[in-house]
Amino acid sequence: DAGVIQSPRHEVTEMGQEVTLRCKPISGHDYLFWYRQTMMRGLELLIYFNNNVPIDDSGMPEDRFSAKMPNASFSTLKIQPSEPRDSAVYFCASSLGSGNTIYFGEGSWLTVV
Amino acid sequence: QQPVQSPQAVILREGEDAVINCSSSKALYSVHWYRQKHGEAPVFLMILLKGGEQKGHEKISASFNEKKQQSSLYLTASQLSYSGTYFCGTEAGGTSYGKLTFGQGTILTVHP
Repeated sequence: DAGVIQSPRHEVTEMGQEVTLRCKPISGHDYLFWYRQTMMRGLELLIYFNNNVPIDDSGMPEDRFSAKMPNASFSTLKIQPSEPRDSAVYFCASSLGSGNTIYFGEGSWLTVV
Repeated sequence: QQPVQSPQAVILREGEDAVINCSSSKALYSVHWYRQKHGEAPVFLMILLKGGEQKGHEKISASFNEKKQQSSLYLTASQLSYSGTYFCGTEAGGTSYGKLTFGQGTILTVHP
């Protein structure tokens, strides 16, 4: 079985540029999560979807961040414009729902210079 | 609300035991435990649902005290491969069903 698939794995971009991170959840999973991990803040939940609908986006840092899930097999996290403090590892994860295992993708390592 | 883990770091010699604790201020529906190695994604260890059950996985087990909103992860006879950062993730009930919030992590280092 394919796990959660994220792209790109690594991205280096200049401040002010738009960044789009992509995620394909495990087939059949109704929940999709976007997490950000940094040394200072740990593993933060940015936003999560249930059946393609955003349920809680209270973790999205500011308006520069946006996330969409146009269908059950694809989600994007966009940062526009990017700033150096956005440098982090962004994980996408999916699950069958409450009380079930959450499976993480391998992460997208973002560096904004 | 982020769960609180303790201790922040543990250093062991191979064969020693360790306990990592996780506590929440919210009523919990489930607790999840993950281990993450440097440069890799978190890997699932086990999940505990409310009801106070204890689970085991080889030499790693965990308990969940629903009344105290606490969970503990027990690592016995530690091996070098146990080194990494351990995270608990908590799922509260009500409108937060399905949402997993992680603690700050416990760094475990096992030396030969």
